[in-house]
Formats: sequence, C-alpha cells, structure tokens
Amino acid sequence: DTAVSQTPKYLVTQMGNDKSIKCEQNLGHDTMYWYKQDSKKFLKIMFSYNNKELIINETVPNRFSPKSPDKAHLNLHINSLELGDSAVYFCASSQAERKLFFGSGTQLSVL
Amino acid sequence: GESVGLHLPTLSVQEGDNSIINCAYSNSASDYFIWYKQESGKGPQFIIDIRSNMDKRQGQRVTVLLNKTVKHLSLQIAATQPGDSAVYFCAENMVGAGNMLTFGGGTRLMVKP
Repeated sequence: DTAVSQTPKYLVTQMGNDKSIKCEQNLGHDTMYWYKQDSKKFLKIMFSYNNKELIINETVPNRFSPKSPDKAHLNLHINSLELGDSAVYFCASSQAERKLFFGSGTQLSVL
Repeated sequence: GESVGLHLPTLSVQEGDNSIINCAYSNSASDYFIWYKQESGKGPQFIIDIRSNMDKRQGQRVTVLLNKTVKHLSLQIAATQPGDSAVYFCAENMVGAGNMLTFGGGTRLMVKP
C-alpha cells in the first residue's frame, strides 16, 4: 500500500485552464502539506493543513486553493494556469515527530 | 570528496568510496534537522534525522553530523553504492514552526562503477 499517493503523476495543460491534483494518505497523520519543486530542484512549502484546517499558507497566488475534505485528503486546485506554474508538486504528511512522508509527485507542464 | 548543497552541485564518487554531503542551514533557532534522498521521478525519502541536542547520529551506512556553532550539517555515506545515486536534501525545522520543514538546495550524488 502506498502511504502518500497523489494523482495524476503527469499533467499537461494549456495556459488559462483550471486543474486539480489529488492527494491521499493512509498513515493516519494529522498534518498534510503541498510543496512545489522547481526546475532547479528547490523545494518550497506552499500549504499545510492540520486536521482539515489551514495552518500554513506561504506566499502563493490565490489561484491556488487547497481543500481538505477530511484529514486523510488534501487536494490542490489551480485556476487560470500560467507558464510559471510548471513544476513538480509534492504532497506530504506528518505526525508529531516532524518527519515528512512524501508522495511521488505530480509533474505539471503548462503550455 | 565533499560538496556544499546550496545550488544543486554534483558530487561524483567512485563506488565503494565514502561520500560527504554538506549543508549550511540558515536559522540558529532550528532544533531539528533531516536528510532526504530523492531519486529520479520519485518523491523525497527520509534517510536520517537529528535533534539539536546531539552532534552525531548513525544509521545504516549513514552518519549525520551537526555543528551548531557554524550552522553546518553533513551526511556521510559509507561504501557508496550505485543505488545511492540521487539528489540529497537537508531540511531544518524551527522551534515554533510546527512541523514545517525548510529545505536546502540539494546536492546531486553520482556514483561511478
């Protein structure tokens, strides 16, 4: 069983479209995250949710809207996609020990 | 050999040699540090962690060293194998920052057979 799973693995879309990435964790963790990894491999936190509540919201355009229907799921919806949104997006989860468990990533390409 | 993991430099080592990957962290208030390994097409995987009340921690073939005086972290991999080829990231967590990890820039390790 995959601990943190995100779909789709690859997402190719046109500028201006709206798309969603889904994430689920079966670890029973309370906290989930979205990280963005750019072409230089730099990983940056975007959002963090604890028990369905937003606790971290870094400087991210409001075109990005996370939604957590329950503590095992954290989805990321992106409106009006731009070229600069092209990156790999990672979902992660953690419990009290601060060690993050990552999904395998969604490679988003905006054309 | 060794390398500073801030601008995705590449460290190339011979199979069987020891590798040292270095990381300079930014915040003296950080009290927890962690190393991740990211293979091509995969998400980062936990390798080893260390709290600020320690200066060394050993795992299986890996050792993490922490020097709080100069805010420096290193990952040593003994008897490097081809399967160790990946990008390695250090990350820090500050007291009061919840579980949020701030990542360094990564170092690519290439193992020559």
